[in-house]
Amino acid sequence: DIVMTQSPGSLALSLGERATINCRSSQSVLYSSNSKNYLAWYQQKLGQPPKVLIYWASTRASGVPERFSGSGSGTDFTLTISSLQAEDVAVYYCQHYYTSPYTFGQGTKLEIK
Amino acid sequence: EVQLVESGGGLVQPGGSLRLSCVASGFTFSNYWMHWVRQAPGKGLVWVSRVKSDGSTIDYADSVKGRFTISRDNAKNTLYLQMNSLRAEDTALYYCARGEITAVGPFALWGQGSLVIVSS
Repeated sequence: DIVMTQSPGSLALSLGERATINCRSSQSVLYSSNSKNYLAWYQQKLGQPPKVLIYWASTRASGVPERFSGSGSGTDFTLTISSLQAEDVAVYYCQHYYTSPYTFGQGTKLEIK
Repeated sequence: EVQLVESGGGLVQPGGSLRLSCVASGFTFSNYWMHWVRQAPGKGLVWVSRVKSDGSTIDYADSVKGRFTISRDNAKNTLYLQMNSLRAEDTALYYCARGEITAVGPFALWGQGSLVIVSS
């Protein structure tokens, strides 16, 4: 099984600051035949189901603000929030969908300082 | 409205059984892979199982293999999870999630979840 490891486990930043969350997979999730990284990022606010933010490692989902961006390839990925807003307080998860089982990272809790 | 609505959760004793349902609406259910994902209280997301659009391909996490059975009824737009031999560690909020038309892709649509508590 592919293991997804996120860092840091928690993050406290001031409004307007840049947030960076990292995700590493235990093996590459880059499919060579189409050059796509099978990696998604989700946001889960308190009491709500997860919401997909980014898929194919860098494609923003419909309706997701431009301050959210994803980057990386192979085994190392990053979710960046360019300017933190109050409504971004949540837990963020990475997930691969390269092959079953579709494992998630352990989550990164983002708070406002 | 495009949505997934889970039901069937509750309190069950260790060793007991429960069947979760997830009713889909607002999209062509029979076109999509469907998944179950669970989240223990205060913990992270754990993928549980998936089923192909026509029910011909099914996978499970090792932690539930042999105890849980995923199925679907495309005529009723409903996904199921039959859970047998339940353990305390199966206590969680169970989400159904819509995959993609192809086998791979993110989970773009989630239900609100159904809470399963396994306790004596």
